[in-house]
Amino acid sequence: NAGVTQTPKFRVLKTGQSMTLLCAQDMNHEYMYWYRQDPGMGLRLIHYSVGEGTTAKGEVPDGYNVSRLKKQNFLLGLESAAPSQTSVYFCASSYTSVETQYFGPGTRLLVL
Amino acid sequence: SQQGEEDPQALSIQEGENATMNCSYKTSINNLQWYRQNSGRGLVHLILIRSNEREKHSGRLRVTLDTSKKSSSLLITASRAADTASYFCARGGSARQLTFGSGTQLTVLP
Repeated sequence: NAGVTQTPKFRVLKTGQSMTLLCAQDMNHEYMYWYRQDPGMGLRLIHYSVGEGTTAKGEVPDGYNVSRLKKQNFLLGLESAAPSQTSVYFCASSYTSVETQYFGPGTRLLVL
Repeated sequence: SQQGEEDPQALSIQEGENATMNCSYKTSINNLQWYRQNSGRGLVHLILIRSNEREKHSGRLRVTLDTSKKSSSLLITASRAADTASYFCARGGSARQLTFGSGTQLTVLP
């Protein structure tokens, strides 16, 4: 089992560019999450999904979009990147909404 | 917004000593979880304690939960240099998500 994987590991964008972060899990989990982590802070939830074809907003959804077309994949999109979106992005998945979450290794994004 | 905080924000101890971290929260919970994050890595789940439990052990880890005080503590006994990491508590409540605190940075000196 690979668990939760994220691609890419690192990316540099210029302001206004777009990109998509990919999260994949092989544990047949229903729930998937995208978080961002900024220095000295915990994780803040961007968007999440409770099953294939569903998405919902988290704490900080502005500037991001997501899609869950397949159960094992959860995509995070930035349509027009801003320097404030410089962060480390983590994907996670779980069987239920309040049980253990399994995290990917993270994607480090720098927006210039 | 994050409901509750870890305390202390940073903790430095000698190898072999015990480390205690605390987590407070504001709303009712179904469970409380503790995670570890090594530098540059994703979070790893350590232990989950349900709201009807008061204490739980896993190896050198001991977690307590006091729902009347809305607080939890994580005790790492006989710490090792490899325990150096950030530790986060996460509250599982009625919403379909966990709420993470800002973490405690633990440094174990050899």
